[in-house]
Amino acid sequence: GENVEQHPSTLSVQEGDSAVIKCTYSDSASNYFPWYKQELGKGPQLIIDIRSNVGEKKDQRIAVTLNKTAKHFSLHITETQPEDSAVYFCAAMTGGSQGNLIFGKGTKLSVKP
Amino acid sequence: NAGVTQTPKFQVLKTGQSMTLQCAQDMNHNSMYWYRQDPGMGLRLIYYSASEGTTDKGEVPNGYNVSRLNKREFSLRLESAAPSQTSVYFCASSHGRDYPSYEQYFGPGTRLTVT
Repeated sequence: GENVEQHPSTLSVQEGDSAVIKCTYSDSASNYFPWYKQELGKGPQLIIDIRSNVGEKKDQRIAVTLNKTAKHFSLHITETQPEDSAVYFCAAMTGGSQGNLIFGKGTKLSVKP
Repeated sequence: NAGVTQTPKFQVLKTGQSMTLQCAQDMNHNSMYWYRQDPGMGLRLIYYSASEGTTDKGEVPNGYNVSRLNKREFSLRLESAAPSQTSVYFCASSHGRDYPSYEQYFGPGTRLTVT
C-alpha cells in the first residue's frame, strides 16, 4: 500500500525566512496531494492541494511543487510569520480517483519573532 | 454554519468500558471519515462512509464499529476499550470521493484516554 514519508519532523525558522517541508510517496497511482495545517488543540485544516497533472500551485505565501517522476512533493512557505507556527501534514490519495488519504507523520514548524 | 462537530471533547474510560463518539456535519456532504491521531504517527483512517447507508474499513479498523445514522451523522463505537485506543479521534467529511469533491473538512477532535 501507499507509504508517505515527511521531513523534517521539526523545523525552526526566523520570522521572514522561508520554510520548506518535503514528502515522498510510494504509490505511483496516487494523484492528489493535500497539505494540512494543525494548530494546537484543533483539527487539521486544508491549506493547499495539488493534483498529479500539475507541477506547481501557489496561493499567496504558500506553494506546493510536485515531481511525479521522483514521487515527491514539497510545501514552501515564504515570508514566514509567527502565526504560521503549527504542525503541517502532507498526504497522498491512494487507490486512484476514489481512494483514501495516507498522511505523513507531520512537521512541527516554529517561527521565531 | 458549524461545519463538523464532535462530542464529547474529552473522555476518560476504564479498560473494558464502551462508548460512542458522535460526529455531525451541516455541509450536506456525502462522505464521512473517522481518523485517529497518535503522537508521531500522523492521522490514520479507521472507517469511512462513502455515502449514506455504506461503511467501509480503513487502515486501522480493529476494535471499532461505526454507524452512518443519516446523511449528517456518523458515529464511532468502542465496544470494549483498551489502553491502545488512547488517542485523539477526528471526524471529517467531504462532498464526495471524486475530484473535485474530495477536500476533507475536519472536526475539532475528541481526546480519549483509556486507563
